[in-house]
Amino acid sequence: QLVLTQSPSASASLGASVKLTCTLSSGHSSYAIAWHQQQPEKGPRYLMKLNSDGSHTKGDGIPDRFSGSSSGAERSLTISSLQSEDEADYYCQTWGTGIVVFGAGTKLTVL
Amino acid sequence: EVQLVQSGAEVKKSGESLKISCKGSGYSFTSYWIGWVRQMPGKGLEWMGIIYPGDSDTRYSPSFQGQVTISADKSISTAYLQWSSLKASDTAMYYCALSLGGYETPFDYWGQGTLVTVSS
Repeated sequence: QLVLTQSPSASASLGASVKLTCTLSSGHSSYAIAWHQQQPEKGPRYLMKLNSDGSHTKGDGIPDRFSGSSSGAERSLTISSLQSEDEADYYCQTWGTGIVVFGAGTKLTVL
Repeated sequence: EVQLVQSGAEVKKSGESLKISCKGSGYSFTSYWIGWVRQMPGKGLEWMGIIYPGDSDTRYSPSFQGQVTISADKSISTAYLQWSSLKASDTAMYYCALSLGGYETPFDYWGQGTLVTVSS
């Protein structure tokens, strides 16, 4: 079964970097994923598509502070030079034949 | 500019029917999959289903199969999500989302959301 696992919460200080991770279920380590950001009281925003080899394609207007990396079944989003507006929920998404799956989301707090 | 514009907030009673919409513009509406995503209050994103407006090929999440109907009218570039009999548990924000990369690619554009409130 295709499942994405995310930590419920993360925190980091203003100006620092943070790495959020999304783990694919067993047998699905070759899958690409996408990262989406949802700021408080707003709709989701597409950040990037992240492939198993770590290559990634960002959405329109996404700053260079956002980058992605992959290791085995783990797909990570790194945000550098954290700003207050980065405080948000971050969801990973993947897809299979006729299905779409979201992770449960990670709530990022910027201290 | 690619845009998905959703219909406005709805307040309904249990047992009533409802159809909400998502109008696409700035791209070829018939060529790309559109999905619907539910977000219950304080909760995460749940995929409901997707439709290919070109031929109305539709796939549903097992969790939503039989509970909702997804459709599209390509003549007016609009996708729909409908309920025949709402329940209080359908209270949620609903988003449409577009996979501009094609089938089995991420949602790379999102609508602004439609809030549905169902009272018992």
